[in-house]
Amino acid sequence: DTGVSQDPRHKITKRGQNVTFRCDPISEHNRLYWYRQTLGQGPEFLTYFQNEAQLEKSRLLSDRFSAERPKGSFSTLEIQRTEQGDSAMYLCASSNEGLAGGETQYFGPGTRLLVL
Amino acid sequence: AQTVTQSQPEMSVQEAETVTLSCTYDTSESDYYLFWYKQPPSRQMILVIRQEAYKQQNATENRFSVNFQKAAKSFSLKISDSQLGDAAMYFCAYRSAVDKIIFGKGTRLHILP
Repeated sequence: DTGVSQDPRHKITKRGQNVTFRCDPISEHNRLYWYRQTLGQGPEFLTYFQNEAQLEKSRLLSDRFSAERPKGSFSTLEIQRTEQGDSAMYLCASSNEGLAGGETQYFGPGTRLLVL
Repeated sequence: AQTVTQSQPEMSVQEAETVTLSCTYDTSESDYYLFWYKQPPSRQMILVIRQEAYKQQNATENRFSVNFQKAAKSFSLKISDSQLGDAAMYFCAYRSAVDKIIFGKGTRLHILP
């Protein structure tokens, strides 16, 4: 399977704990995106990387959130001191952007986080 | 800021019939892309169809087609010969040339056997 993969698929944690999610994009895709989706809503943009550079962060990404893509391949999203409001599906997507842009983003299956 | 509006939270269609999902968007840009994504229950989001704003011809993919009205900023999805497997949340999405995707809130489509 050469699609976008995410790990873990489900995570239950207690309020105040730290959690880390991993995303493996489609091989050789230079762009990697993180989105958050709450129940009954469309995904909301969190941040994205062009290779290893983090180019944009949403205001939704508080100081408790940090994302990395150290070698321009896989990415991690860490949430520190989790709150119940962090409960959501965290989606990763990747694309292979050229100079013209506008390439289709391919989504992973998501990591569903539940904070108790 | 760009916005995407889907005014139909839920829709139902009889199997084998045709249904149209509505989407409007707001932007001041001239170069952008529009998408319809499908998210089946507890399953992965997948691309249904995409449209480049500079193309006048409406995109089609088998039973799926769009009606792209650039001046009206409207981008509806038509599903012909609806099948049970079409039941899902459908998200309309906007993207500028090199930017993130902005999604609408989605339309839940039910297929009635």
